[in-house]
Amino acid sequence: GQQVMQIPQYQHVQEGEDFTTYCNSSTTLSNIQWYKQRPGGHPVFLIQLVKSGEVKKQKRLTFQFGEAKKNSSLHITATQTTDVGTYFCAGRITGGGNKLTFGTGTQLKVEL
Amino acid sequence: EAGVTQFPSHSVIEKGQTVTLRCDPISGHDNLYWYRRVMGKEIKFLLHFVKESKQDESGMPNNRFLAERTGGTYSTLKVQPAELEDSGVYFCASSLLAWGDTEAFFGQGTRLTVV
Repeated sequence: GQQVMQIPQYQHVQEGEDFTTYCNSSTTLSNIQWYKQRPGGHPVFLIQLVKSGEVKKQKRLTFQFGEAKKNSSLHITATQTTDVGTYFCAGRITGGGNKLTFGTGTQLKVEL
Repeated sequence: EAGVTQFPSHSVIEKGQTVTLRCDPISGHDNLYWYRRVMGKEIKFLLHFVKESKQDESGMPNNRFLAERTGGTYSTLKVQPAELEDSGVYFCASSLLAWGDTEAFFGQGTRLTVV
């Protein structure tokens, strides 16, 4: 079954509001990456987290990796229309080889 | 530098027909992955090549799917015979190092529709 879940599945926000998507794995992850897919586009790499409890920021985006390395989150401050898309987490399951297991994705829509 | 290229971008075929998808990775990337997204759901792993060798094909759904990477450059994914449930977007990705150690670069995908 699906080992990496994301919530929420969909999120509609008004421009300027904050947005958070959560990624949860049933097993420990050696690392986790985040990707963004614009409508009709392909996944584009955003960031990689490796260390337990790691926090990284990219402008308005804040990424966290849980202490137990089983969960992660992406928080966007003051969303803009350019943030529209689907955000996927993708984790390398410990002992699962060199492939990444994608989360179910969170589709973000931003309204003016 | 050219990115990952996939061909065709769209394909509509009838059930029972054969379709071959092609992926040209970024030059020099030994690692090549095939993933697919069905019905807007999660992106699921199909297989992983390191150069011309299949490193992991645990995600291949059944023997109707055949992937090759002769010469370690471009890769093809053949579906024969295609079934309705094979419809979806097939993504190819390549990475310089093993994915998980570095980022992967995705192609634009091939949208396959089986009718």
